[in-house]
Amino acid sequence: DQQVKQNSPSLSVQEGRISILNCDYTNSMFDYFLWYKKYPAEGPTFLISISSIKDKNEDGRFTVFLNKSAKHLSLHIVPSQPGDSAVYFCAARNNAGNMLTFGGGTRLMVKP
Amino acid sequence: EPEVTQTPSHQVTQMGQEVILRCVPISNHLYFYWYRQILGQKVEFLVSFYNNEISEKSEIFDDQFSVERPDGSNFTLKIRSTKLEDSAMYFCASSEGDRGEQYFGPGTRLTVT
Repeated sequence: DQQVKQNSPSLSVQEGRISILNCDYTNSMFDYFLWYKKYPAEGPTFLISISSIKDKNEDGRFTVFLNKSAKHLSLHIVPSQPGDSAVYFCAARNNAGNMLTFGGGTRLMVKP
Repeated sequence: EPEVTQTPSHQVTQMGQEVILRCVPISNHLYFYWYRQILGQKVEFLVSFYNNEISEKSEIFDDQFSVERPDGSNFTLKIRSTKLEDSAMYFCASSEGDRGEQYFGPGTRLTVT
């Protein structure tokens, strides 16, 4: 099942710089997208979401961009902090139900 | 801040045994979910539950699985006869509405030997 794909398994960024995490999807029925952060031995923690009627949503240091024509979304974290080091998952929900389809995750490492 | 809790954190069981994984969703949430993550794989949806009924389930959620809300606070996942391939992290989640963000618990690591 490759409906949601995160092509970069890992990303390393210097503290204070911008982190950009990418996600692609194939299912046109997806109408809501979410980003989760996960630390080892913990469950996914909700970060930010975006509806398909918008192209941008911002919450503090986190901004999600949605490009529907390209079926692509990205999460920007600025400035990046060492505490942001975690695995980031994008997830999508279609307009017919409430199940989430997850990407494979990107491990972000923010170096001090 | 309210959170989803799960017990136990780790469960070891023998193949063929029944296991029950327990979850306490956030108190004002009405929709409940189970997901699992096999080591090295994606988080996968199992089932959603609302108003004491399954509202959606995946192909993984076969007759070996069942869910229940036995009282006003707990939400359980039962696996009747565990198989080696059931070994995974099982996450419970809840949401306020059917279109709301889902909040996840810390997970139960199930190991089937």
